[in-house]
Amino acid sequence: GAGVSQSPRYKVTKRGQDVALRCDPISGHVSLYWYRQALGQGPEFLTYFNYEAQQDKSGLPNDRFSAERPEGSISTLTIQRTEQRDSAMYRCASSLPVRGPLHFGNGTRLTVT
Amino acid sequence: DAKTTQPNSMESNEEEPVHLPCNHSTISGTDYIHWYRQLPSQGPEYVIHGLTSNVNNRMASLAIAEDRKSSTLILHRATLRDAAVYYCIHRDQGAQKLVFGQGTRLTINP
Repeated sequence: GAGVSQSPRYKVTKRGQDVALRCDPISGHVSLYWYRQALGQGPEFLTYFNYEAQQDKSGLPNDRFSAERPEGSISTLTIQRTEQRDSAMYRCASSLPVRGPLHFGNGTRLTVT
Repeated sequence: DAKTTQPNSMESNEEEPVHLPCNHSTISGTDYIHWYRQLPSQGPEYVIHGLTSNVNNRMASLAIAEDRKSSTLILHRATLRDAAVYYCIHRDQGAQKLVFGQGTRLTINP
């Protein structure tokens, strides 16, 4: 069946531009998570949603980062005024029950030049 | 912050069992232990989780110490495809998010 889908697969942007990363979770999954992963490191938690409600955004690095999931399905992670340090793999995951196993997508590789 | 300790790397041979250790000395009574693995160029995938009793599934077995301060992920017969980074995660009671550490990079020799 269809897994978690993220787009774009790769994104190259210039410093100072805004980017929007999209996550389409597995259909019917209640929870949606955003992580980012630097090369050679474990995934770093950013934020998560149950349905459309953002439950925890403690991992967002600063106020340039925001996320939404307005209808409880697709989610968008937005980074405003990108900086080179934002370059990383951004991963989305979803789970059916609230505390169920996470299913990860293939990620969006963001490069800020 | 991640609350587990794992070796940075381990090496084993194909078709042999592999025991991946994890220490979680601050674990509370109702906290679950989760294991995920990440194959090269892929996102993490769920392996197994448990609370107190040993757990088995088609991928692996999880042996949890009686005092719950450590656990071991067991791959009964490693294949080349099992080469990955293995993450042991201790989920806080009442928390939903999973906090990943650095994991153990497992190399399988043919």
